[in-house]
Amino acid sequence: DAGVIQSPRHEVTEMGQEVTLRCKPISGHNSLFWYRQTMMRGLELLIYFNNNVPIDDSGMPEDRFSAKMPNASFSTLKIQPSEPRDSAVYFCASRPGTGVGYTFGSGTRLTVV
Amino acid sequence: KQEVTQIPAALSVPEGENLVLNCSFTDSAIYNLQWFRQDPGKGLTSLLLIQSSQREQTSGRLNASLDKSSGRSTLYIAASQPGDSATYLCAVYAAGNKLTFGGGTRVLVKP
Repeated sequence: DAGVIQSPRHEVTEMGQEVTLRCKPISGHNSLFWYRQTMMRGLELLIYFNNNVPIDDSGMPEDRFSAKMPNASFSTLKIQPSEPRDSAVYFCASRPGTGVGYTFGSGTRLTVV
Repeated sequence: KQEVTQIPAALSVPEGENLVLNCSFTDSAIYNLQWFRQDPGKGLTSLLLIQSSQREQTSGRLNASLDKSSGRSTLYIAASQPGDSATYLCAVYAAGNKLTFGGGTRVLVKP
């Protein structure tokens, strides 16, 4: 089991550009979560999917953020247009079911200049 | 709204001492609580998961307790080593399928 796989590991982009972060959850896990980590706010839940369906996106900061899960093995988080304040580490996590722990990916460190 | 607090925010101990990390949460209606470790610039590694019906979990030198009624969990690390230096995060899983994190405790174990 390769764990939760995120790409890219690092992304540096200019303000205004579109950024796409990718996540492959653990096979068989039916819940997927996107988190953002900053020094000021810690770890915040952005959105989560259950069986590929977005359940709660109340943590998505603005309309510039969007997330999709076209199938059980792939999800994307897109920021368009990106801004310097979006700079953070973005984590993807998955879980097989209720009552079981979460597994996190290694994260994508995003820097918007 | 569930709030999770970890005190202290930072802790420095000499090698060999036992570590005691505290976590408190405001809503006791949780399904489980999970402790993670995060090394600088790295992702989160799960250490222990305690179900709401359990009082504690143990793994090697780590022991985590849970008192749901008082909204508290404690992570004990026995005989600390420099390799234990990291940030330790507590997270509770509650209604709404959400995992809410505390701010973490940054631990430094000095040789």
